[in-house]
Amino acid sequence: GENVEQHPSTLSVQEGDSAVIKCTYSDSASNYFPWYKQELGKRPQLIIDIRSNVGEKKDQRIAVTLNKTAKHFSLHITETQPEDSAVYFCAASIGAGTALIFGKGTTLSVSS
Amino acid sequence: ETGVTQTPRHLVMGMTNKKSLKCEQHLGHNAMYWYKQSAKKPLELMFVYNFKEQTENNSVPSRFSPECPNSSHLFLHLHTLQPEDSALYLCASSLQAATNEKLFFGSGTQLSVL
Repeated sequence: GENVEQHPSTLSVQEGDSAVIKCTYSDSASNYFPWYKQELGKRPQLIIDIRSNVGEKKDQRIAVTLNKTAKHFSLHITETQPEDSAVYFCAASIGAGTALIFGKGTTLSVSS
Repeated sequence: ETGVTQTPRHLVMGMTNKKSLKCEQHLGHNAMYWYKQSAKKPLELMFVYNFKEQTENNSVPSRFSPECPNSSHLFLHLHTLQPEDSALYLCASSLQAATNEKLFFGSGTQLSVL
């Protein structure tokens, strides 16, 4: 079955710096890759997602890149702000009728 | 509160107790899910319901029993749990289960089993 590895498990950056979180997946049939953000004590929320027919997607300060050959995808946050501090989860799915497989999460801390 | 609402927010129970977790979604979605979130582990899918029908049971022990009376409500009945079942239990919904896309999560029930 699908396996998703996420790195790093913790990441500390200064406000204004960029942050990058990487995930690798094992099943080459995976075609949907969402990212969820979970602030302390709150629910996970979808922040961006990408399909396998797209190599990159951007939404303001957040971008996701996908390398199908290497089977990895990354979340890029630019100009980080303290409110970006949260746990970020990547996930992968091979599509219709299959479960989302989540990574273990990355705790991002942005200090001002 | 709109979206996905879970009750109770916190629950402490003994191993011999029987309790139920409740989830309600106001988004008009057709699919609902139960996830388990333990410290330092990935979110684990437990059950999936699509149009009230269970479509996935991810090898969950029988001490967890789901119920979905309609597309807006989902329950998780708990009995004779073990201390290792202590975790945050998250409910989620999506427009369709077939795609598993754009999950909307509730705030979760923090369960402690003594």
